[in-house]
Amino acid sequence: DAKTTQPNSMESNEEEPVHLPCNHSTISGTDYIHWYRQLPSQGPEYVIHGLTSNVNNRMASLAIAEDRKSSTLILHRATLRDAAVYYCILRDTQGGSEKLVFGKGTKLTVNP
Amino acid sequence: DTEVTQTPKHLVMGMTNKKSLKCEQHMGHRAMYWYKQKAKKPPELMFVYSYEKLSINESVPSRFSPECPNSSLLNLHLHALQPEDSALYLCASSQVPGQVFYGYTFGSGTRLTVV
Repeated sequence: DAKTTQPNSMESNEEEPVHLPCNHSTISGTDYIHWYRQLPSQGPEYVIHGLTSNVNNRMASLAIAEDRKSSTLILHRATLRDAAVYYCILRDTQGGSEKLVFGKGTKLTVNP
Repeated sequence: DTEVTQTPKHLVMGMTNKKSLKCEQHMGHRAMYWYKQKAKKPPELMFVYSYEKLSINESVPSRFSPECPNSSLLNLHLHALQPEDSALYLCASSQVPGQVFYGYTFGSGTRLTVV
């Protein structure tokens, strides 16, 4: 399974942008980069995914390096509700099935 | 309906009991997953079902037995568990590869305690 590396924790202030980095130097050409977050006492929640180009949705933006060996999840204005563990995952497809293998993630603390 | 529903939310069972966890979705997803999550750890993949057939088993002990009776339902049958199996069990669903992908949808999990 291709691996990702993330900082264990990060802090941000409310209403400020947050940039969450992820390294995936062994990524293959067909691996999609996924981001999920898990709020306390809840199941993980899909945030965003991309392959090569930068992506935007209502929750966040995903910036992917040109060599695809790293990516950054951008929360444009952090709120207290964004405090969660954020997981960067490479989507692994094999034989028509696929699996998401979670790494350790980054625990984001948002200060009021 | 954009949810994955897991029942029960909490379960306490003895080591000699047999119990089942249930997961249901009505989003038309043909891939469904079981994950296990211990406290302060990331979710660990257990099983993957694709078109109601088991496609991936991540070397899970046989005391965990998955079942996918139809495209909306996924069960996890539990038998002779150990206290170290106590964890949050998460179900998820998604489109299968080749279809337009919008991410995995996770349920809120079943908190299992083995005594």
